[in-house]
Amino acid sequence: EEQLEESGGGLVQPGGSLRLSCAASGFIFTNHWMHWVRQVPGKGLVWVSRINNDGSDTSYADSVKGRFSISRDNDKNTVSLQMNSLRVEDTAIYFCARDYWYFDLWGRGTLVTVSS
Amino acid sequence: ETVMTQSPATLSVSPGERVSLSCRASQSISNNLAWYQQRPGQAPRLLIYGASTRATGIPARFSGSGSGTEFTLTISSLQSEDFAVYYCQQYHKWPPFTFGQGTMLEIK
Repeated sequence: EEQLEESGGGLVQPGGSLRLSCAASGFIFTNHWMHWVRQVPGKGLVWVSRINNDGSDTSYADSVKGRFSISRDNDKNTVSLQMNSLRVEDTAIYFCARDYWYFDLWGRGTLVTVSS
Repeated sequence: ETVMTQSPATLSVSPGERVSLSCRASQSISNNLAWYQQRPGQAPRLLIYGASTRATGIPARFSGSGSGTEFTLTISSLQSEDFAVYYCQQYHKWPPFTFGQGTMLEIK
């Protein structure tokens, strides 16, 4: 079964850091770009970042550029999101998603709460 | 940035009814549009890609149409499990990949 599972969410103070991970299984990981998408509870979906197959090319939303960094480990079938200088407005559920240009497979998400 | 606008924000409908949801792009995106369904507490699920192609396992009552800037998701006969939030998303010009703000289908 094709699956994505996020981990690493939690409570962090403003200005702090957190690293999210997403473990992929059931498909050939290196065939796909991967993305992070976030959602403030009760609000809409917002794209955060993407990484290509071998990790050589990345893109970010303006709201996180310079603070977040996406990476992948193709030996471990994982994609990560390093989040630094976190702000209250970064509070959201973070989903990883598989790319087929559109997002055809999603994880269940991990909640990040930025609060003092 | 390509802005996606969905209407209406909320739609009250009865089971068995036919419903159409609208999505408009601020510039032409050809047919590079996807629709997602999100039930409460769940991750989004891909319904439609390429504006009109159903994803694997999606029932035939879901259909998509449109190209350019105007798109429609139609559900031919609403089932109880279809009451959810629906999002459109463009993948024509990125970054960023952009979503509409969502349309909530609620039971009348």
